[in-house]
Amino acid sequence: DTGVSQDPRHKITKRGQNVTFRCDPISEHNRLYWYRQTLGQGPEFLTYFQNEAQLEKSRLLSDRFSAERPKGSFSTLEIQRTEQGDSAMYLCASSPDTQNYGYTFGSGTRLTVV
Amino acid sequence: AQSVTQPDIHITVSEGASLELRCNYSYGATPYLFWYVQSPGQGLQLLLKYFSGDTLVQGIKGFEAEFKRSQSSFNLRKPSVHWSDAAEYFCAVGLNQAGTALIFGKGTTLSVSS
Repeated sequence: DTGVSQDPRHKITKRGQNVTFRCDPISEHNRLYWYRQTLGQGPEFLTYFQNEAQLEKSRLLSDRFSAERPKGSFSTLEIQRTEQGDSAMYLCASSPDTQNYGYTFGSGTRLTVV
Repeated sequence: AQSVTQPDIHITVSEGASLELRCNYSYGATPYLFWYVQSPGQGLQLLLKYFSGDTLVQGIKGFEAEFKRSQSSFNLRKPSVHWSDAAEYFCAVGLNQAGTALIFGKGTTLSVSS
């Protein structure tokens, strides 16, 4: 078990470009979460998947953000028409059904929009 | 609205001294309470959690926390700090039994002086 893997670790993009991040959860974990962490802040919940179903979405997840988890395995988070305010660390976590809040976090993808 | 407050942005403690990091939450019922630690460039690691029962909970790395309902607090303590404890610490609250979204405080950065 290699834990939760996120790719890439760092991404620099120009304002207006689209970016996509990938998260590979622990294989037996059915639940997958995305959080965003800006400088000086704690992580903020974005969205949650139970297998392939996206069950919760935060109001922070604007129309420019979309997340998928096809086949209930890895997940992608896409940001369209990036803005400077999107610069943040994007954290993925997974947990098993049998353990509420049994999160394992990945190391995150740091996005810088220039 | 539910919230988590960590009043101290930055704390410096001498190596070997005791540590207490403060956390207050705003929520009508008893929440699920957590402390996480984040080292630079790393994801969050769970130190301990409180769901119910004994209000003093033990965690990893010699940390403990005490839930005080009357004060809406869940302070983190360690009797003797090691240089390797220098990191950012986040208190978090879970609001539902489904185990989905966490609300995090803004974090406390701990520096350890020799």
